[in-house]
Formats: sequence, C-alpha cells, structure tokens
Amino acid sequence: EDQVTQSPEALRLQEGESSSLNCSYTVSGLRGLFWYRQDPGKGPEFLFTLYSAGEEKEKERLKATLTKKESFLHITAPKPEDSATYLCAALIGSRLTFGEGTQLTVNP
Amino acid sequence: GAGVSQSPRYKVAKRGQDVALRCDPISGHVSLFWYQQALGQGPEFLTYFQNEAQLDKSGLPSDRFFAERPEGSVSTLKIQRTQQEDSAVYLCASSGGPGGAQPQHFGDGTRLSIL
Repeated sequence: EDQVTQSPEALRLQEGESSSLNCSYTVSGLRGLFWYRQDPGKGPEFLFTLYSAGEEKEKERLKATLTKKESFLHITAPKPEDSATYLCAALIGSRLTFGEGTQLTVNP
Repeated sequence: GAGVSQSPRYKVAKRGQDVALRCDPISGHVSLFWYQQALGQGPEFLTYFQNEAQLDKSGLPSDRFFAERPEGSVSTLKIQRTQQEDSAVYLCASSGGPGGAQPQHFGDGTRLSIL
C-alpha cells in the first residue's frame, strides 16, 4: 500500500532557528514528490516539485531535497510568517497521495 | 490571473439532503482534481478529470458521490443523501497539463458541515 509519512507532527522554532521537516514514502511508481504550504482556512499553496533522487530546489528560506526513500524541507533562519502546515505529497499515476502534514510555528 | 475558485465557501446541510459544490479552475487548465480534507489531516484524492473525461474516480467513497465536468471547464461535485461523516473540506485543484505531473493549484475549498 502506498504510504506517505511526515514528521514531526508539530514543530515550534524561535525566529532564526533553522530546522528540517521529514517526508518518508513507500510507494510504487513515484512520478514526483511535491511540497505544499497550507495556511488556516486556505487551500494548499504549491512550493516545489522534485522528480529524481539527488534533486534539490530552493526558494527564499526553503530548500527541498529528495532521496530514494524520503524528502526533506530545510528551513533556514525562519521568520514568523513561515508559520503554516507543510504538506508533502507523492504523485502516483495522476493522483497526489498526501502526508498528514507538519504544523510549524515560528515564534518572534 | 485568477486562481481556482470554489463556491460556496461554507455549506451547512441536514443529514439526508443533497448538496452540490462548484469549482472554477484556472482558465485553460486541462486537468481538474477533487480532494477531501478532514480536520488535521492531509487531503485525500477523490477524482480526476482530463478535459470533460473522468479518468479516475477510484477515490470516491461511495455511490452517493458524483462529479461532472461536462464542458471541460467548470466542475460540480454532488453528494446525495448526505451523512455526518461527509463533513469535511472539499478542495478542487487544476493543472495545465494532463496526468498531474505539472503542479496542481488548489482553491480554498468548501467547508461542508452535515448536521
């Protein structure tokens, strides 16, 4: 059975305290690994797509990396506005299979 | 440009009523997806359209759920004889190419509450 697991469930950081979020996956036929950000009451907002092991992508304070079994979202020197739930999703066929998310809180 | 638009934003219905949820995708996007998101969970796939063709409906939880996209643009998700377990946020997403490999862009969802 295809499975996507995110850890930790929740993470509290002080402003400027760098950390990483983990997304491990057990799927057959992975076509891509997606990262989204979701704010309360909003739909997921696209961040990155990674297609092959070893690939990395960066955007502002975020960097996503991919191995054959997991992906990491590294957050460097976070700010309070980075507080949100971060979702990863595996593209299998035409459907996205999501993890349950990591709720990130960055305190000033 | 406009993003994915969903209406209504909130819907309250009594158990047993039928409801219809609407999705306006980004103009020109060929692929359209519906997801269901329970509180504190990630979205779960319901169904996928490429233009007007429903290519995958394997995520629909029962035959009470029905989706259509008759002209390859606007889509409607209908739930008949609603049950309390249908309470959730229903998200629509669209992408510019077929098959989901291009990023899916989400609307803000319809929050459905069944009393």
